[in-house]
This record gives sequence, structure tokens and C-alpha cells, in this order.
Amino acid sequence: EPEVTQTPSHQVTQMGQEVILRCVPISNHLYFYWYRQILGQKVEFLVSFYNNEISEKSEIFDDQFSVERPDGSNFTLKIRSTKLEDSAMYFCASMPWGSYNEQFFGPGTRLTVL
Amino acid sequence: KQEVTQIPAALSVPEGENLVLNCSFTDSAIYNLQWFRQDPGKGLTSLLLIQSSQREQTSGRLNASLDKSSGRSTLYIAASQPGDSATYLCAVKGPSNTGKLIFGQGTTLQVKP
Repeated sequence: EPEVTQTPSHQVTQMGQEVILRCVPISNHLYFYWYRQILGQKVEFLVSFYNNEISEKSEIFDDQFSVERPDGSNFTLKIRSTKLEDSAMYFCASMPWGSYNEQFFGPGTRLTVL
Repeated sequence: KQEVTQIPAALSVPEGENLVLNCSFTDSAIYNLQWFRQDPGKGLTSLLLIQSSQREQTSGRLNASLDKSSGRSTLYIAASQPGDSATYLCAVKGPSNTGKLIFGQGTTLQVKP
């Protein structure tokens, strides 16, 4: 069964460094999302992406964040200058076009900022 | 602004019990509602999705109901097993079909052998 994959599973970085989190959505899915979950807190929406542009973004998704679909298969989240409070689990999700509209989630990348 | 609340925050039951997890949302203009399972430090596994026009969905020992007008959903787990121990998350999407999911904080379930 097709699934969303994410790499790396765990990333440790120093404050101020740039990180890129990678996701491979399910083939033929058209809508892509990033969410994050700070330890012990709710899963929060960051950004949605469709037709090579951002559809919606939350107030968390400031100028330090960017998303890209560079090659038609990968979907990346870049954090330009990481902060301690960016430490979280980051989940990618994808969704097909159609009436069922279920979002399928990847296993997540745990980002630790030191 | 949509808010999703799950009660209780934690639940501990002996194996074999039937149990109900509750989810409430403040804005009834939703497109659908999903229930997820999350094991500690792991990703989100989708359990059931209920469209706004549906009243319930069933998968094995799981049954989810939706009362959109009152802003409530329940997840019923029959004959609980220790392997059911996990955090269960409720998330709503809406009003558009391509919109974001808004999550509750989850109910952490422990099923004791």
C-alpha cells in the first residue's frame, strides 16, 4: 500500500542553523501539508500546498519557513534559522483529489534544536 | 475560530471493557472528521474518517459517530485489548474539502491486562 515517507527520522541541529525536512507524498496526490507537534501539545497546522503554491499558512509559518516541491516527487520544509522552540515532531501529509479527501500522514521527523 | 476538545485527557481500563472517547468542536461547518491513533513518539495512523453527511463509520472493533449539529463525535472501542493502548486524536476539516485539519489534544488510553 502506498505511503508517505519522511527523511530524516530524527535531526539534531544547533540553534541558528538551517534545516530541510524532506517528504515523499503518495504518488498522484495533489495536496500537501506540513504539521508539527511540540512535545505534549496538540498537532498544529503549518502550511498547505497545491499546484506549486501555498494555499494556506498558519501564523506559525513566518518568514523563517518555506516549502518547495523541487522535482515533482519531493516536498520539503525549510527552516532558515532554527530556534529552540522549533524543536518538535514535523509531519507531512498528502491528499488525493476527490470526494473522500482523506489526508495521509508520514511517520514524522523529530527535530531537536540545541 | 474552530476549537477541538477531547475528554477525558486520560483513561485507564481493564482489558475487555467497552469504552467511549469524546470529541467536541465549536464550529459545525466541517467537511469531515478523522480519528487517529498515535503511539508514543510515533506518527499518526488514521482509524476512521466520517464525512459531514454521515452519522457513523465502523472498522472492526471501532465505531465512530458524528453529530455535526451539536458539534460532537464519539469513538467507541469494543472489547478493549492491551494493544489498544495509545493516544487517540480527533481532527476536523472544514469548511473546504482541501483545508487543514484542526486537532484535539488527544485521549491517552491505557488498557491493563
